[in-house]
Amino acid sequence: DGGITQSPKYLFRKEGQNVTLSCEQNLNHDAMYWYRQDPGQGLRLIYYSQIVNDFQKGDIAEGYSVSREKKESFPLTVTSAQKNPTAFYLCASSPDREGAKNIQYFGAGTRLSVL
Amino acid sequence: DAKTTQPTSMDCAEGRAANLPCNHSTISGNEYVYWYRQIHSQGPQYIIHGLKNNETNEMASLIITEDRKSSTLILPHATLRDTAVYYCIALRGGANSKLTFGKGITLSVRP
Repeated sequence: DGGITQSPKYLFRKEGQNVTLSCEQNLNHDAMYWYRQDPGQGLRLIYYSQIVNDFQKGDIAEGYSVSREKKESFPLTVTSAQKNPTAFYLCASSPDREGAKNIQYFGAGTRLSVL
Repeated sequence: DAKTTQPTSMDCAEGRAANLPCNHSTISGNEYVYWYRQIHSQGPQYIIHGLKNNETNEMASLIITEDRKSSTLILPHATLRDTAVYYCIALRGGANSKLTFGKGITLSVRP
């Protein structure tokens, strides 16, 4: 099936530890995004990438890092510098054709908690 | 991107039409209206978008007022599975603009 796969579904981080969230898509989309959602809140953009080997900071990039070495993959690392990482993390992708660039397809999310 | 305003919540009976309003009084001429929804503990799902004409797809209809200052998302026959938070977003077309999800409107469909 075509879609976006996020793993793991649940993740626990120890103090001072870096953790990496996986996001893979087989939709052949050029653009990919990472969002964070806190309880009862909307989504906030962490990073986005419009093409392989290029990415831009979103609104809340501090304490996070990403890479885009392959079109299908856009992993997010939550570093120890992110002091409040507990949240629901969502990955999305969108096509690059006119009229559809803002139609984003989302994964099922990863819930990150701090031990 | 223009700010949108939605009520906090609404409910409707199963099988009836759900009409979800959205105000976007400062929308500019090149901004589209997008609707997404998020069922509890899942990722958001794209529903529909439009510029000035009314739009319909297999999920919903979007009615945009002539002055484009407001719109209504219509779910013609709501089911319990339509219970979700619905987000109305005004966004420029033609570029990878940043989707900004506010708090949306919580729709509760009752049996």
